[in-house]
Amino acid sequence: EPEVTQTPSHQVTQMGQEVILRCVPISNHLYFYWYRQILGQKVEFLVSFYNNEISEKSEIFDDQFSVERPDGSNFTLKIRSTKLEDSAMYFCATQGDMNTEAFFGQGTRLTVV
Amino acid sequence: DAKTTQPTSMDCAEGRAANLPCNHSTISGNEYVYWYRQIHSQGPQYIIHGLKNNETNEMASLIITEDRKSSTLILPHATLRDTAVYYCIVRDNYGQNFVFGPGTRLSVLP
Repeated sequence: EPEVTQTPSHQVTQMGQEVILRCVPISNHLYFYWYRQILGQKVEFLVSFYNNEISEKSEIFDDQFSVERPDGSNFTLKIRSTKLEDSAMYFCATQGDMNTEAFFGQGTRLTVV
Repeated sequence: DAKTTQPTSMDCAEGRAANLPCNHSTISGNEYVYWYRQIHSQGPQYIIHGLKNNETNEMASLIITEDRKSSTLILPHATLRDTAVYYCIVRDNYGQNFVFGPGTRLSVLP
């Protein structure tokens, strides 16, 4: 079964540092999402991305966050200056068609110290 | 906000059917019902989705009421590995994102 792959699985960073989380989508998928889940809380939508631009973003996705697909394969989430409250699991999801299910990666656990 | 309501938690005996209900009374005609589950802190796993007809796959069955205001996910023979949080999500297929509520924590007991 095809998989969405996320790297790294765990990242520890100091407050104020930049982090880049990477996602390799399922081949031929065109729709991409980032979600996050703070420990013990629900899964929250951050941003959706299609055709090299943001389709929708939540209030959480402020100007400290950015997404891109730099090489046509990897899909990245960048946090420019991390805060303690950015500590969470970050999940990438990809979808082949907007009429189908989305597949989620196993997540990156980000710990900001 | 999530457009669905689910019980906070449920128990099920191993080997028995687990029936997880979901209310979506404000669902509109072009919105599908999706089910995902999350085991521990792993990524959400797709289970099944449907529009109005009942659906079945190798994992589960989805029963949607005729008025589409509620649905039930059925795991026919629950195992300990089915212990997870189950999310019912209503979404149209015109690009809406998947909105997760708190879900139902299913505990399968030996």
